[in-house]
Amino acid sequence: GEDVEQSLFLSVREGDSSVINCTYTDSSSTYLYWYKQEPGAGLQLLTYIFSNMDMKQDQRLTVLLNKKDKHLSLRIADTQTGDSAIYFCAETADNYGQNFVFGPGTRLSVLP
Amino acid sequence: DTAVSQTPKYLVTQMGNDKSIKCEQNLGHDTMYWYKQDSKKFLKIMFSYNNKELIINETVPNRFSPKSPDKAHLNLHINSLELGDSAVYFCASSQDSGQGNEQYFGPGTRLTVT
Repeated sequence: GEDVEQSLFLSVREGDSSVINCTYTDSSSTYLYWYKQEPGAGLQLLTYIFSNMDMKQDQRLTVLLNKKDKHLSLRIADTQTGDSAIYFCAETADNYGQNFVFGPGTRLSVLP
Repeated sequence: DTAVSQTPKYLVTQMGNDKSIKCEQNLGHDTMYWYKQDSKKFLKIMFSYNNKELIINETVPNRFSPKSPDKAHLNLHINSLELGDSAVYFCASSQDSGQGNEQYFGPGTRLTVT
């Protein structure tokens, strides 16, 4: 079946860039997503990228997609303490984008 | 206005009880979902409903039953609760507009079974 993998932990210093990586197995993935979960809260969609794109930038966020290697990354520039959260990678391959498969989440800790 | 709301936020109950979690969305979305997030933060889809029709059922125990009285609501009923049911349950919704539809999540319901 489909699988999405992420490293579980990442620590960076405030002001540095964070790069969160994700790999997936389903070659028919059409959309790939990044969600953020702050402590005690639900998931918030940060950004998504269509599979025919290589890069998408949105303010401090840059998403890179290597479809050949099935590798997705999220770069957060100038990381702030408010960025501390769990970041979930997710992909969907079915026609209506409803069967989402989530990665285990990467816990980002931003150190002062 | 809250887009996706869930009640209750916290639920503590004993093994063997039957409980329900309610979910409502005011976004006019066509599809609603239930996810289970375990203690390790792993997120797994349980059900989704599209226009009152169950379209995904990820082999969850039949003690769990989703009920959708209308397009804006998807409630989760759990019978004979077990310790392993302790988790955070998230409701979500999306517009059935084809590819790339975003899911909007509720704040979650933390269920603790003692």
